[in-house]
Amino acid sequence: SQTIHQWPATLVQPVGSPLSLECTVEGTSNPNLYWYRQAAGRGLQLLFYSVGIGQISSEVPQNLSASRPQDRQFILSSKKLLLSDSGFYLCAWSRGVETQYFGPGTRLLVL
Amino acid sequence: GQQLNQSPQSMFIQEGEDVSMNCTSSSIFNTWLWYKQDPGEGPVLLIALYKAGELTSNGRLTAQFGITRKDSFLNISASIPSDVGIYFCAGQLPGAQKLVFGQGTRLTINP
Repeated sequence: SQTIHQWPATLVQPVGSPLSLECTVEGTSNPNLYWYRQAAGRGLQLLFYSVGIGQISSEVPQNLSASRPQDRQFILSSKKLLLSDSGFYLCAWSRGVETQYFGPGTRLLVL
Repeated sequence: GQQLNQSPQSMFIQEGEDVSMNCTSSSIFNTWLWYKQDPGEGPVLLIALYKAGELTSNGRLTAQFGITRKDSFLNISASIPSDVGIYFCAGQLPGAQKLVFGQGTRLTINP
């Protein structure tokens, strides 16, 4: 069976510091991978998606970047965090484009 | 961008009542998905629908893919306290590599 991991689970960072969130998938190969952000009590905003190694599509201009160095690894990064980067970050995978399965999420608080 | 109109935004019901929520769009979708998110966790897939007119059940949950392919509903029968959470609909547009999500329906149950 497939599993998706995210770490860290919770992160508190000062404004201006760098960020690296990691997502890995087990039990499948060549998945589509997605990064979402969710503000408190709000819906899901798609940030990036990737259909293969090194292939990244950005959905919204922002202070974040994504990379896919390995088939089942997806990383979300920032060089300098802003207060507005606080939120709940969710990684998801899919086989093809239909059904997406979400990870447990990372709660980021920028102070 | 494409939007899904999910309603209602919130529901306050008594335990044991039936629940109904829906999503509509002006666009045609190939796939409709329903997710449930508990506080602090990632969304969990409840039901996936792949054909117009399809009616699928998962325990007390029933969802349908509208005949026009522009809408879907989710029903929950005999609600219980663990049904509390946020329910999201999502759809896949033809040819798209990503999903479009509704804004969620927050379900609160009074015991």
